[in-house]
Amino acid sequence: QPALTQPPSASGSPGQSVTISCTGTSSDVGGYKSVSWYQQHPGKAPKLIIYDVGMRPSGVPDRFSGSKSGDTASLTVSGLQAEDEADYYCSSYAGSNTLVFGGGTKLTVL
Amino acid sequence: EVQLLESGGGLVQPGGSLRLSCAASRFAFSSFSMTWVRQAPGKGLEWVSSISDKSDTIYYADSVKGRFTTSRDNPKNTLYLQMNSLRAEDTAVYYCAKGGLITIKDYWGQGTLVIVSS
Repeated sequence: QPALTQPPSASGSPGQSVTISCTGTSSDVGGYKSVSWYQQHPGKAPKLIIYDVGMRPSGVPDRFSGSKSGDTASLTVSGLQAEDEADYYCSSYAGSNTLVFGGGTKLTVL
Repeated sequence: EVQLLESGGGLVQPGGSLRLSCAASRFAFSSFSMTWVRQAPGKGLEWVSSISDKSDTIYYADSVKGRFTTSRDNPKNTLYLQMNSLRAEDTAVYYCAKGGLITIKDYWGQGTLVIVSS
């Protein structure tokens, strides 16, 4: 059972915005800024798209944004494009020298 | 651009051993912590282990503690994962990533598949 809870699926039409939640506890998401989001296309390696809650690595479009409130982190994808269709995973440092992931959310672009 | 190339995966019987390698290039390998993450078929990502740049701190998930050993050879720019007492539930694609437990994991290899089955 993944430590962080994500909705199994999310969807939106091209041009729309969609938000994916990642719920943990005060021992992980709520306690640290080390929350990251990864995008994974089928058969490919995960790609970092957000780190430290809301920071974007260079090369990642600003359509991707991250935030956190309490024990829940969120990833928002604005201006949805066909290539955004993928699985998305959140992760967080969980204290005691451990790292946890969410179960993943399959984003469908309708 | 940073390159990470995993190798060493394959089919192994339960109770067997396997050593994975991750060859790094195009970045200062010896200056960065590294991490192993695995993904069982059709499942999500699971953190396995992280090692500091100088190997002075190594951390493991409870699911592999005592069975897996992470090490690195900085002059060879290579990260290793020695896996012993393998179980069916260890079947997964194993990825190495540049970055440690808290630091960002900004580059990932393409993964190597480990299948534990009789």
